[in-house]
Amino acid sequence: QKEVEQDPGPLSVPEGAIVSLNCTYSNSAFQYFMWYRQYSRKGPELLMYTYSSGNKEDGRFTAQVDKSSKYISLFIRDSQPSDSATYLCAIRGSNYKLTFGKGTLLTVNP
Amino acid sequence: NAGVTQTPKFQVLKTGQSMTLQCAQDMNHNSMYWYRQDPGMGLRLIYYSASEGTTDKGEVPNGYNVSRLNKREFSLRLESAAPSQTSVYFCASSVGGGSFNNEQFFGPGTRLTVL
Repeated sequence: QKEVEQDPGPLSVPEGAIVSLNCTYSNSAFQYFMWYRQYSRKGPELLMYTYSSGNKEDGRFTAQVDKSSKYISLFIRDSQPSDSATYLCAIRGSNYKLTFGKGTLLTVNP
Repeated sequence: NAGVTQTPKFQVLKTGQSMTLQCAQDMNHNSMYWYRQDPGMGLRLIYYSASEGTTDKGEVPNGYNVSRLNKREFSLRLESAAPSQTSVYFCASSVGGGSFNNEQFFGPGTRLTVL
C-alpha cells in the first residue's frame, strides 16, 4: 500500500460548483498535512497546511483532516475557472521530507 | 526576491550524455530538494540536503548525483543519461530544522528529454 493515495481524476466541474478533493494515507506517524496547487507547466505552490484533525478555512478553501480515518480533504467553494490546476496533497512526519499524492487534475468550466 | 531559480528550463540529451541541473535560492533556507515529476507518478524525491554540507538519498536516487555547493546552490547531475530519466525536474527549498511549517518553495522546473 502506498503511503499516500490520491485519485488522479481528472475532475471537471461547472463554475460555481463545490469541489471535493481527497487523499488517504497509511502512516499514523504523519503529523503535517498540506495541499499544493500546480498550474500547468509551473512549479507547485503551497495552498494550505494543517497539523490537527478538524477544519481550517482560508477564503473559498477548506482543508479537513480526520486522523482517525487517515483521510484528508480539500473543499473549494464557488469554484472559478482560475482554480483549474492540479492539486497535490502532501504529508510529512517529524522530519522535513514530504510525501506527495499523485495529484488530481481539476478543470472548472465557465 | 527571485525565490527558487532553475537552469536550464529545457534540455534535450542523447542517451549516455551527461549534464548538470542548477538550482539556487535566495531565501536563506537551510534545506533543499530535488524532485522528478512524471505523468501518473506524482512528485518523487531524488535527493535532499537538510543543511549545507549534507546530502541524502530520497526515493529514486539511482542514476543521479548531487552537490550542495553552498547554502544557496544545490545541483543535480546526470552522469550518463537514459531515456527513463526523461521527466520534469523540480528543485525546492525550505527553512528546515525544527521549523513547524517547513513549507517547501518550488522552482519553475526543468523539462528534460533523453533520446
